[in-house]
Amino acid sequence: ETGVTQTPRHLVMGMTNKKSLKCEQHLGHNAMYWYKQSAKKPLELMFVYNFKEQTENNSVPSRFSPECPNSSHLFLHLHTLQPEDSALYLCASSQDRGSTDTQYFGPGTRLTVL
Amino acid sequence: GDSVTQMEGPVTLSEEAFLTINCTYTATGYPSLFWYVQYPGEGLQLLLKATKADDKGSNKGFEATYRKETTSFHLEKGSVQVSDSAVYFCALSDGAGGTSYGKLTFGQGTILTVHP
Repeated sequence: ETGVTQTPRHLVMGMTNKKSLKCEQHLGHNAMYWYKQSAKKPLELMFVYNFKEQTENNSVPSRFSPECPNSSHLFLHLHTLQPEDSALYLCASSQDRGSTDTQYFGPGTRLTVL
Repeated sequence: GDSVTQMEGPVTLSEEAFLTINCTYTATGYPSLFWYVQYPGEGLQLLLKATKADDKGSNKGFEATYRKETTSFHLEKGSVQVSDSAVYFCALSDGAGGTSYGKLTFGQGTILTVHP
């Protein structure tokens, strides 16, 4: 039990669908992150939010749209995805954005784009 | 930019064998260093960390020492168990002024399989 939950755990979608991934942290943290984990590639940071404000967009295509309505919730809205977007999407949170702050990860959403 | 390089896997060991997974890094500032572990079907869990040179992180029998002179953070365990089978990731978060400040840069991961 890491205190970070993600739903759904698995998602299959067509390229024309619109879906959303949800992340919730119960740790009272101020920073939240989205990562993409693809086979045979290092984890890639996608977005960072600190106190609900987006502080990092790591050149992510616009078909991925994040939303952070409060410090406990983070969404990733998906539309017109490509098959190469199939991956494990991990959410994480940390107390703050300092270099010593530990990031706590959720279990991930396994996304398959057909 | 910042980067982390891990030894290539997969690594296959027998139970009670000694484990070393090498990790070296490049950073512009003074980073904190982390080892995360990912068990099958799960997200990443922090295994240990070190925030300054010569610090040793330890947890569950695993150890790693922050070596600034060799820019390394090698993971070791004296006697592995079948339950240690997982993917291990080395990561850094740079200090103020570094390109990875406040975010993690990961190595590619090393798959460890331990046989009875």
